[in-house]
Amino acid sequence: GDSVTQMEGPVTLSEEAFLTINCTYTATGYPSLFWYVQYPGEGLQLLLKATKADDKGSNKGFEATYRKETTSFHLEKGSVQVSDSAVYFCALMDSNYQLIWGAGTKLIIKP
Amino acid sequence: GAVVSQHPSRVICKSGTSVKIECRSLDFQATTMFWYRQFPKKSLMLMATSNEGSKATYEQGVEKDKFLINHASLTLSTLTVTSAHPEDSSFYICSAIEPGTSGYNEQFFGPGTRLTVL
Repeated sequence: GDSVTQMEGPVTLSEEAFLTINCTYTATGYPSLFWYVQYPGEGLQLLLKATKADDKGSNKGFEATYRKETTSFHLEKGSVQVSDSAVYFCALMDSNYQLIWGAGTKLIIKP
Repeated sequence: GAVVSQHPSRVICKSGTSVKIECRSLDFQATTMFWYRQFPKKSLMLMATSNEGSKATYEQGVEKDKFLINHASLTLSTLTVTSAHPEDSSFYICSAIEPGTSGYNEQFFGPGTRLTVL
């Protein structure tokens, strides 16, 4: 079945560092791909999405490109802030509109 | 954007009691809602898909008699944990689909409910 694999955390970076969180998927067809973020004490929020190959989703300085050839959707940000500390989930939507989730990556940004 | 609320945000109960969690779509009608369970440091586990006016579809391994789901209206779904035990302690999250025009249906998530069973 469909699955999502993302890098284990926690990932600890200094403020203004470059961020990459890897995400790869296996799926039949071409699912929509998502990154969700969960800030401490809050619910899940959609960070960005891409619905077809080569699409680039972007929001709040974060970007991810739908790479069909490598079945990847890596999350990147050029300069992280302390306020970016959160848990990030990669997910795909299957043909039944169900989300298949990665395990989540905790990001810790130190001042 | 679409807003989904959950109530209560936190509940502590004694073993053997039942707990009801409400999930509401505040500014849209949700024909489909999902219930998830999140274990510490783990991803979300889909428990069931709830469609308005029909029985919920449970994922394999989820006891439907223990986790009762009722989707009575287009804006409300409830999850009742019956005869709760300490192993049911978890973070329960609901989401709702707002039908869209972009070819896929985005899920909007509630803030979650922390259940602690003593």
